[in-house]
Amino acid sequence: QVQLQQSGPGLVKPSQTLSLTCAISGDSVSSNSAAWNWIRQSPSRGLEWLGRTYYDSKWYFNYAEFVKSRITINPDTSKNHFSLQLKSVTPEDTAVYYCAKVTASWFDSWGQGFLVTVSS
Amino acid sequence: DIQMTQSPSSVSGSVGDRVTITCRASQDISSWLAWYQQKPGKAPKLLLYGASTLQSGVPSRFSGRGSGTDFTLTINSLQSEDFATYYCQQADSFPLTFGGGTKVEIK
Repeated sequence: QVQLQQSGPGLVKPSQTLSLTCAISGDSVSSNSAAWNWIRQSPSRGLEWLGRTYYDSKWYFNYAEFVKSRITINPDTSKNHFSLQLKSVTPEDTAVYYCAKVTASWFDSWGQGFLVTVSS
Repeated sequence: DIQMTQSPSSVSGSVGDRVTITCRASQDISSWLAWYQQKPGKAPKLLLYGASTLQSGVPSRFSGRGSGTDFTLTINSLQSEDFATYYCQQADSFPLTFGGGTKVEIK
């Protein structure tokens, strides 16, 4: 059974970079049958898909247009995890962030969720 | 982007009731739809995918129907553990998008 464990700072100052890591157990970040995603949830914006990475002979990345200029998702095969970096954050980026695995198009495993607050 | 609209935003019911939630897509998504259940402080949990296929381990009182733009999630014989918020999600095209949620509350 796949388990995803998130970690990172819970408080980030405006204009700085939000960084989160999702450690994978029970699967491999370089699996060719999975995609590794970041999603966030806030009361004002609901559930928002941010982006994904997956491996199919090479690494692929897809990002939501509204964060495309600020987001990077990085897989790390040596640590079997993937990370999220979101630059130039504002209070509107305050949310619960989830990592999630997609198998055959569906989010079938989720991290525990991590509240990130953007505040000075 | 494909907009997903759920109705109602909340519904109340008693144990044993049948509850139906609707999700409408802003364009044809065929059967590329999933339903998730979320309880407070927890991550969403996949209930159904492909509009009507039950995820392994999900009780058979949950069922889904629809294709194209209109979908429903039905919970037959509500149980106490079913009081939660339910979300639909389309997987037809990127960006993947979710509905706004329907909270199922105790009457």
